Amino acid sequence: DTAVSQTPKYLVTQMGNDKSIKCEQNLGHDTMYWYKQDSKKFLKIMFSYNNKELIINETVPNRFSPKSPDKAHLNLHINSLELGDSAVYFCASSHGRGGAGELFFGEGSRLTVL
Amino acid sequence: AQKVTQAQTEISVVEKEDVTLDCVYETRDTTYYLFWYKQPPSGELVFLIRRNSFDEQNEISGRYSWNFQKSTSSFNFTITASQVVDSAVYFCALSEAKTGTASKLTFGTGTRLQVTL
Repeated sequence: DTAVSQTPKYLVTQMGNDKSIKCEQNLGHDTMYWYKQDSKKFLKIMFSYNNKELIINETVPNRFSPKSPDKAHLNLHINSLELGDSAVYFCASSHGRGGAGELFFGEGSRLTVL
Repeated sequence: AQKVTQAQTEISVVEKEDVTLDCVYETRDTTYYLFWYKQPPSGELVFLIRRNSFDEQNEISGRYSWNFQKSTSSFNFTITASQVVDSAVYFCALSEAKTGTASKLTFGTGTRLQVTL
């Protein structure tokens, strides 16, 4: 049973399209995240939700819109895709422990924008 | 602002050698958490350890050990008797304690470890 699962694992699309990545966790965690890993392997937080409430929103273009229908799911929708959006997007979850909770990551979704 | 520096971009060792991965951090917080993650070639991110700022005890887990020194703001990771399966990118990360319920991790740029036979 996969703890944090993301779909799809690979996405190849044209510039200007809209795409979504879905994430689900079965760990019973109350906090979920989206991280972006660029081509140089640099990892940066994008968003975090706690019990469906947005609690971290880094300086991400508003073409990126996260949605959390419940605490076990966090989806990421991206509008008007650009070349620079090509990256691996990781979903993660943790217990909310004021910064102490270790993150459990999904396998990542590799997005390629042509 | 928080910062994590992993100055070693890439390290190559021969199997059975010991190797230390360096991590230096900057934070103004007195309470914070430090983490190490492993990213093998398959791409997933695997949690290895968490340490809080009040606990400077070193930790050993099998062939892995961690040395936390607040005086030098370092949290180094040593693999003893390295194996080919240790080949991966290793990330050090820092989380501040004041972000409510979330662990907002600031990652270093990673160290790629290559272990050869």
